[in-house]
Amino acid sequence: GIQVEQSPPDLILQEGANSTLRCNFSDSVNNLQWFHQNPWGQLINLFYIPSGTKQNGRLSATTVATERYSLLYISSSQTTDSGVYFCAVAYNTNAGKSTFGDGTTLTVKP
Amino acid sequence: DVKVTQSSRYLVKRTGEKVFLECVQDMDHENMFWYRQDPGLGLRLIYFSYDVKMKEKGDIPEGYSVSREKKERFSLILESASTNQTSMYLCASKLSQGAVTNYGYTFGSGTRLTVV
Repeated sequence: GIQVEQSPPDLILQEGANSTLRCNFSDSVNNLQWFHQNPWGQLINLFYIPSGTKQNGRLSATTVATERYSLLYISSSQTTDSGVYFCAVAYNTNAGKSTFGDGTTLTVKP
Repeated sequence: DVKVTQSSRYLVKRTGEKVFLECVQDMDHENMFWYRQDPGLGLRLIYFSYDVKMKEKGDIPEGYSVSREKKERFSLILESASTNQTSMYLCASKLSQGAVTNYGYTFGSGTRLTVV
């Protein structure tokens, strides 16, 4: 199956700093999502981005499917950005089962 | 917005009990999933369903069963709860890949199950 590697595993920032999180995958995909897991455990969808670039406020994401990676950018980080960020990928033929990376744990300090 | 609702946020059950975790989605998604999440082990797929009455085993189905009698509801059943099933359980739903728009997974808020 597809292997997913996220880096870095842990990231500590001061409030206001920018960061880039990376997701590498081992095979072709046509389905890629970025999630933020909040302190209560819920996975919040940030981007559905199998290719191209999207922006939503201070967050943006780029997927280069031909080179098998995706990047999540967080600008002007806030303490509420803290949590775990997951990348999930798939090459779906039917049920849409995705493979998750191990996540990047982001801590934003005030 | 699609909503995926899990019936309980926190649950405490005794060893040997039969436990039902319920998940309901309101946007006519074909596919539904149950994951468990444990520290250091990431998200692991227990079961998924791509249609009513259809189910497929995920990576760790042992000790679990599922039921999907209606499209909107996917239930996870712990036949005889054990302490090693203490975990965070996450339900998700998703349109099929052939749909015109496919926004990927939508997750419920999770159920923290403790088996004592």
